[in-house]
Amino acid sequence: RKEVEQDPGPFNVPEGATVAFNCTYSNSASQSFFWYRQDCRKEPKLLMSVYSSGNEDGRFTAQLNRASQYISLLIRDSKLSDSATYLCVVRPLTGGGNKLTFGTGTQLKVEL
Amino acid sequence: DAMVIQNPRYQVTQFGKPVTLSCSQTLNHNVMYWYQQKSSQAPKLLFHYYDKDFNNEADTPDNFQSRRPNTSFCFLDIRSPGLGDAAMYLCATSREGAGNTEAFFGQGTRLTVV
Repeated sequence: RKEVEQDPGPFNVPEGATVAFNCTYSNSASQSFFWYRQDCRKEPKLLMSVYSSGNEDGRFTAQLNRASQYISLLIRDSKLSDSATYLCVVRPLTGGGNKLTFGTGTQLKVEL
Repeated sequence: DAMVIQNPRYQVTQFGKPVTLSCSQTLNHNVMYWYQQKSSQAPKLLFHYYDKDFNNEADTPDNFQSRRPNTSFCFLDIRSPGLGDAAMYLCATSREGAGNTEAFFGQGTRLTVV
């Protein structure tokens, strides 16, 4: 089983739609969680960290479910500029506490 | 201003000819990472440094080596590049330890092997 799993997509949605991505992780000792955004042929950039209580940043909402070992990202009112690959990233507390593990990414295409 | 700088942005090397990629940071972060990313795949961790402590991933080929002479610089050496080593190589840094400490990435070096 992969350490971090995501549906690769692509998710093709119309502008203005709400879209959600899930990510599951296998290491129950995982401590830190992030969503990164990666545009084609560019480096990943932090979109948002994911906190235990869930957190929101404008149109983006992240949730963490430790019991089921998954995190989610909700994008409301999708914009064309949201088209990108969204990478789920997990850091364990023990056994490599500084190691960041990436999911394969979920591709989002927002269309007119 | 760029905080993690990778040079060069694009590198073409011959099959079997050693190549070195460089990364520098102005963030004074303890941890530096090298990732390999191939088309449509997740970034794959090759190794990382926690200060001077080197941590190699179990499945990183011996062909890949790294040096970190000081906090600011880290190098990736590919001793004998093969066609399968063509990829984007990403350097990243983060602060040590616990909490939601994000990683900052350089713009990457795209390696072509001919």
